[in-house]
Amino acid sequence: DSGVTQTPKHLITATGQRVTLRCSPRSGDLSVYWYQQSLDQGLQFLIQYYNGEERAKGNILERFSAQQFPDLHSELNLSSLELGDSALYFCASSASGTSTDTQYFGPGTRLTVL
Amino acid sequence: ELKVEQNPLFLSMQEGKNYTIYCNYSTTSDRLYWYRQDPGKSLESLFVLLSNGAVKQEGRLMASLDTKARLSTLHITAAVHDLSATYFCAVEREGTYKYIFGTGTRLKVLA
Repeated sequence: DSGVTQTPKHLITATGQRVTLRCSPRSGDLSVYWYQQSLDQGLQFLIQYYNGEERAKGNILERFSAQQFPDLHSELNLSSLELGDSALYFCASSASGTSTDTQYFGPGTRLTVL
Repeated sequence: ELKVEQNPLFLSMQEGKNYTIYCNYSTTSDRLYWYRQDPGKSLESLFVLLSNGAVKQEGRLMASLDTKARLSTLHITAAVHDLSATYFCAVEREGTYKYIFGTGTRLKVLA
């Protein structure tokens, strides 16, 4: 158990809908990362937050947004969902969000868009 | 555009044998990461390599980084069944905190 929690574990929804994925980092970690893993695109880095501020943005679509709250949990919002958004979404946390940090991954949320 | 290539994509090996997984990347970077993913599970960080010539070892796995050749290797010594998993490398675009992943190497160790 990495100490990173993600909810829900599974989510099934329809095209055009909006969903919110939640991530709670390990106790004491200030940085949260979001990743997408799909058969088509492989593993992709989406976005990183550090202590409530966006630090880096990767291949995140404009339909997707994220934020990190004062209690350091993070939410990833996916809107106008398309079939191709079906994937595993992982979050990870690290202590200070620097390149030297080890990232600890949550169990993931499996999103299915029908 | 930064590209990260791993080979082989699939590797089936006998227990007790040695093998190497290669990770090539296309642009300057001195930050390379290795991860393990068991089937149906999340990712686990294995190694963080932060400079040219960096070498890290944990059990039967050893990772190294050659930034001049833009190459990292993950060497498996005397493989055991428990090492069966998919291994990913990832490169950070220098100074950006943005990570690009390789395609992964699915390793199967046969008893």
